[in-house]
Amino acid sequence: DVKVTQSSRYLVKRTGEKVFLECVQDMDHENMFWYRQDPGLGLRLIYFSYDVKMKEKGDIPEGYSVSREKKERFSLILESASTNQTSMYLCASNPSGNYGTDTQYFGPGTRLTVL
Amino acid sequence: GENVEQHPSTLSVQEGDSAVIKCTYSDSASNYFPWYKQELGKRPQLIIDIRSNVGEKKDQRIAVTLNKTAKHFSLHITETQPEDSAVYFCAARGGSYIPTFGRGTSLIVHP
Repeated sequence: DVKVTQSSRYLVKRTGEKVFLECVQDMDHENMFWYRQDPGLGLRLIYFSYDVKMKEKGDIPEGYSVSREKKERFSLILESASTNQTSMYLCASNPSGNYGTDTQYFGPGTRLTVL
Repeated sequence: GENVEQHPSTLSVQEGDSAVIKCTYSDSASNYFPWYKQELGKRPQLIIDIRSNVGEKKDQRIAVTLNKTAKHFSLHITETQPEDSAVYFCAARGGSYIPTFGRGTSLIVHP
């Protein structure tokens, strides 16, 4: 059974702090994703990675960066947290390839509050 | 890029009724259309998906239909139960291999 875990379920930070959100998957998936979920806005892609040390911007990358030093771990970094980054952050992974391998497996989410 | 519109944003039904959620997409190259269910406080999970070479797919009480010409696809839930209450997300994926999600539909099933 695929397992995607995130380092924290709830996080409270102050404006200007550097914030690290960690995601780990145990199924040797090549692709990993970071989404932001806000009410009425659905799931918006921040960044994704299709291999170690590779990263691509999603739809809303501003104010975020990512790191993927190991295949199983994908980190989201808020360089200087702002109140408008208060949100639910979801990590997901899936294997590379085509037919039959498209399902995304999501982590439990991290609810970040920036004061 | 791809744009996915999802309607309605909220759907309230009585237990036993049917529920239909509709999505439209913009990229004619999209070929994979998953539906995810997110129960309150939980992670989204895939419940059904359809590919562009199929017009309809069923799994017990849920079904998905796809109209490639009109670029829309729908989720149908029959004989709804309170445990069907959740937020449902549609998505469309094309050549970029990155799915674009709709904004979600909050389904409320009243006992």
